[in-house]
Amino acid sequence: GENVEQHPSTLSVQEGDSAVIKCTYSDSASNYFPWYKQELGKRPQLIIDIRSNVGEKKDQRIAVTLNKTAKHFSLHITETQPEDSAVYFCAASMSGTASKLTFGTGTRLQVTL
Amino acid sequence: KAGVTQTPRYLIKTRGQQVTLSCSPISGHRSVSWYQQTPGQGLQFLFEYFSETQRNKGNFPGRFSGRQFSNSRSEMNVSTLELGDSALYLCASSSDGYLSGNTIYFGEGSWLTVV
Repeated sequence: GENVEQHPSTLSVQEGDSAVIKCTYSDSASNYFPWYKQELGKRPQLIIDIRSNVGEKKDQRIAVTLNKTAKHFSLHITETQPEDSAVYFCAASMSGTASKLTFGTGTRLQVTL
Repeated sequence: KAGVTQTPRYLIKTRGQQVTLSCSPISGHRSVSWYQQTPGQGLQFLFEYFSETQRNKGNFPGRFSGRQFSNSRSEMNVSTLELGDSALYLCASSSDGYLSGNTIYFGEGSWLTVV
């Protein structure tokens, strides 16, 4: 089955700096890659996603890039703010089993003042 | 419109007991899936229901089961509870669950502690 690896497990940046989280997947059939943010005690919330027919997607300070050949995708957060502090999960799924998300192990991002 | 609603939010059970968790998906969503979240294993897919049928299943023992009703509401059941079943159980809904790209929305989860 699909396997998703995520790095780093923890990331500390100063406010205003950029943060990058990287994920690799194993199954070339995967074609949907969402990113979720989970604050302590809260539900995972979708922050951005990308489909395999797109190489990059941006939404204000957040961007995701996808390299299908290398089977990796990355989350980029610019101008980080304290409220960006949370655990971020990458995930992958494929058509036919689209609700079966395979998650990475999570990255705990801490934005310090 | 209302989000994914899960009940109960918190519960404590004893080893050997069984537990039932409930989930109401977003109105109009027909796919309901369940995930287990633990510090050690992370977020793992349990199963997915669509139109009252289990459509996909993860790698969990038969003690974990579920069902979906005609109004798309879903329940999951864990029998013969073990200490290792202590986890946050998350319900997620999407409109289809088949085609990639349909956003999957999570509920707040049910925190289960087994003592």
